[in-house]
Amino acid sequence: AQSVTQLDSHVSVSEGTPVLLRCNYSSSYSPSLFWYVQHPNKGLQLLLKYTSAATLVKGINGFEAEFKKSETSFHLTKPSAHMSDAAEYFCVVSDPGGTGGFKTIFGAGTRLFVKA
Amino acid sequence: DSGVTQTPKHLITATGQRVTLRCSPRSGDLSVYWYQQSLDQGLQFLIQYYNGEERAKGNILERFSAQQFPDLHSELNLSSLELGDSALYFCASSGRDRETQYFGPGTRLLVL
Repeated sequence: AQSVTQLDSHVSVSEGTPVLLRCNYSSSYSPSLFWYVQHPNKGLQLLLKYTSAATLVKGINGFEAEFKKSETSFHLTKPSAHMSDAAEYFCVVSDPGGTGGFKTIFGAGTRLFVKA
Repeated sequence: DSGVTQTPKHLITATGQRVTLRCSPRSGDLSVYWYQQSLDQGLQFLIQYYNGEERAKGNILERFSAQQFPDLHSELNLSSLELGDSALYFCASSGRDRETQYFGPGTRLLVL
């Protein structure tokens, strides 16, 4: 069965310092993995996606994530945080669900705070 | 702006009532997904439609139903509403890359 665990419910960093948001997953298949960001009172925006092409995935706004199969992890990083990065981040696993559909499981979310 | 639209933005209703939420996918996208986001349950996948047919089902209650119409817009019907149904309901769509979903701004439902 699929599952996604985001290891931190809240992360606080200072502006200009690195960001690390941790995600572990389990899946019976070779999953596709995603990170989405949700700013307050907004919908979700895709940051990046892994689909077995390259283990290091670059996304928008300077974010990247590394797929580590041996650790079943897909951690999100950014070298230098900006105030505008303050938001909630979701790690997502997607498996083929049969009849051509996809079962999508969201992690509980990590709220990122950025201090000036 | 993702290109996915949802109406209404906000909805206030009473327990026992029925409401319909509407979603228009991005132009050309055939798949539509519905999600519920609440404080205690987080983001939960409800159901997926592809070109009018149901393709995947998540944690959708029997009181809830959805459909996708020939013009590809979708509606989520919530009936016999309970206080616990108060949540943000998101619609998403996907196209040729079926796994990548684009989310609408959501409908905030408040059941009093």
